[in-house]
Amino acid sequence: QVQLVQSGAEVKKPGASVKVSCKASGYTFSRYGITWVRQAPGQGLEWMGWISGYKGNTKYAEKFQDRVSMTTDTATSTAYMELRSLRSDDTAVYFCARLLVPAAGEINWFDYWGQGTLVTASS
Amino acid sequence: DIQLTQSPSSLSASVGDGVTITCRASQSISIYLNWYQQKPGRAPNLLIYAASSLQSGVPSRFSGSGSGTDFNLTISSLQPEDFATYYCQQTYSSPGEFTFGPGTKVDSK
Repeated sequence: QVQLVQSGAEVKKPGASVKVSCKASGYTFSRYGITWVRQAPGQGLEWMGWISGYKGNTKYAEKFQDRVSMTTDTATSTAYMELRSLRSDDTAVYFCARLLVPAAGEINWFDYWGQGTLVTASS
Repeated sequence: DIQLTQSPSSLSASVGDGVTITCRASQSISIYLNWYQQKPGRAPNLLIYAASSLQSGVPSRFSGSGSGTDFNLTISSLQPEDFATYYCQQTYSSPGEFTFGPGTKVDSK
């Protein structure tokens, strides 16, 4: 069965970086992408970007363009999301999810999700 | 940018009630609209994709409708496990760009 297992909770000081992992199993990693969504405490869902599991192509939401990097390790079917220059308002649960690699004119959705990783940015 | 609004922002209902949640897009998005359910402390769960297609394993009491700018998620007979927050998501604005609505919380009356 498809599973996405994320790394554990992190506590970081403002200005630091955090790197969250998402290990996929139960499907061919290279045939799909991985997307990242975050949720601040008591707030809604915010899409951050995605990465292709095949070529590593990325697309980031404009809001995070300058501070986020998404990478993959195809040998271990693991995706990573690094967020730099953390601020207190980056405190949130970060989710990874599977999606089809987006293409023009094609409908897309997030069908399997990781369990979430709490990142706390606090001095 | 395409914006999504949801109404109501919250509602109270009883087990067995029929419930409808509306999602409105700021411009036409054809059927590029998905619905997710999220329970506290859990990851979201895909219910409906492409406006009206039921995701595998999702109970048939959930249905989606609409196209263009106005969409509905309907729960025909609310069950105890359906108390949750529901989000719509659009995937039309540009290939690989996604936006979520603000959410609708369904709680027990």
